[in-house]
Amino acid sequence: DSGVTQTPKHLITATGQRVTLRCSPRSGDLSVYWYQQSLDQGLQFLIQYYNGEERAKGNILERFSAQQFPDLHSELNLSSLELGDSALYFCASSVDGTPRDEQFFGPGTRLTVL
Amino acid sequence: AQTVTQSQPEMSVQEAETVTLSCTYDTSENNYYLFWYKQPPSRQMILVIRQEAYKQQNATENRFSVNFQKAAKSFSLKISDSQLGDTAMYFCAFILSAGPKNNAGNMLTFGGGTRLMVKP
Repeated sequence: DSGVTQTPKHLITATGQRVTLRCSPRSGDLSVYWYQQSLDQGLQFLIQYYNGEERAKGNILERFSAQQFPDLHSELNLSSLELGDSALYFCASSVDGTPRDEQFFGPGTRLTVL
Repeated sequence: AQTVTQSQPEMSVQEAETVTLSCTYDTSENNYYLFWYKQPPSRQMILVIRQEAYKQQNATENRFSVNFQKAAKSFSLKISDSQLGDTAMYFCAFILSAGPKNNAGNMLTFGGGTRLMVKP
């Protein structure tokens, strides 16, 4: 158990819908990262937050957005869902959000879009 | 942009034997970190080992060791005395060691993975 929690574990929804994935970082970690793991694209970095502010952005679609709240939990919002958005979405956290800092991964949320 | 390539989609090894997983990467930068992550059937991503590019000494963690060849941009993982619990997907990953506010420096870039099966 990494100490990072993600809810829900599984999510099944239809095309065109909107979902919210939630992540709670390890106690004391200030930075949160989101990754997408799909059969087509492999593991891809989406976005990073540090203490409530966006720090780095990767291959995140405009239909996706994220935020980190004052209590440091983070939410990833996916809208206008398409079949290709079906994937495992990981959240990771680290202490200070620097590259040397180990990222601890949560168990992931499996999203299925029908 | 940085790329990471794992040329072996699948490998198998007999229990107690040694296996080496290959990884190559491409970057024009000089300072970075390299990682091997393990993803067992539970799907949890677990850090196996980490190497800092400025360190010439190869990292070792118990039965896991790396062969880091900076000039060749190669970073292989050796698993000794393989155990059934080592069965998993293994991902090589790269991150630039830029400052905390450098956008590119905070992105872990992963290879496509190698599926390792340890046979009894």
